[in-house]
Amino acid sequence: AQKVTQAQTEISVVEKEDVTLDCVYETRDTTYYLFWYKQPPSGELVFLIRRNSFDEQNEISGRYSWNFQKSTSSFNFTITASQVVDSAVYFCALSEERRGAQKLVFGQGTRLTINP
Amino acid sequence: DVKVTQSSRYLVKRTGEKVFLECVQDMDHENMFWYRQDPGLGLRLIYFSYDVKMKEKGDIPEGYSVSREKKERFSLILESASTNQTSMYLCASSLIRGSYGYTFGSGTRLTVV
Repeated sequence: AQKVTQAQTEISVVEKEDVTLDCVYETRDTTYYLFWYKQPPSGELVFLIRRNSFDEQNEISGRYSWNFQKSTSSFNFTITASQVVDSAVYFCALSEERRGAQKLVFGQGTRLTINP
Repeated sequence: DVKVTQSSRYLVKRTGEKVFLECVQDMDHENMFWYRQDPGLGLRLIYFSYDVKMKEKGDIPEGYSVSREKKERFSLILESASTNQTSMYLCASSLIRGSYGYTFGSGTRLTVV
């Protein structure tokens, strides 16, 4: 069965520090997608990134970067020069196809607090 | 701006009541999903629907049912609410090939007393 593990339940850092959120996944599928979502205090999950299993290139978007390593089944997320607005719960997710629908399996989430 | 709208942000119900949680999307998405979110457990799939009148059980369907009579609307029903169903409920939708991920609603925080 698909599984996503986010071992870090909570992380607290001071503003401007770099922080990495870990994500490890298990799947038997050869083709799959990995996602990161952000959940701010307002509650709505916001899509951050999608990564295809065949594309192991790292991605950078502003202060955000993602490191996908198929060999270790990991898809880690780094925030550089963190800001208070980055405080949120972050979820890693893995797609699983069922009945033609891509079902997402989520990790437990990591609560990130950026202190001024 | 495309949206998934959940009818209630906060809801308080009594044990044994029948509860309806409504979700509407305006993106013409084929797939719709109901998750519940609990601390330390992440998001767990209750039910999903890949077409009108079609539904599939997720990982934790017990105590819940769903209805999808129109493409844009997906309802979650608690036939007889219990205190262990106190949770945050999140609705999401996606295209038929959801490799682009989901669009989520803002969630409904349900308290059963």
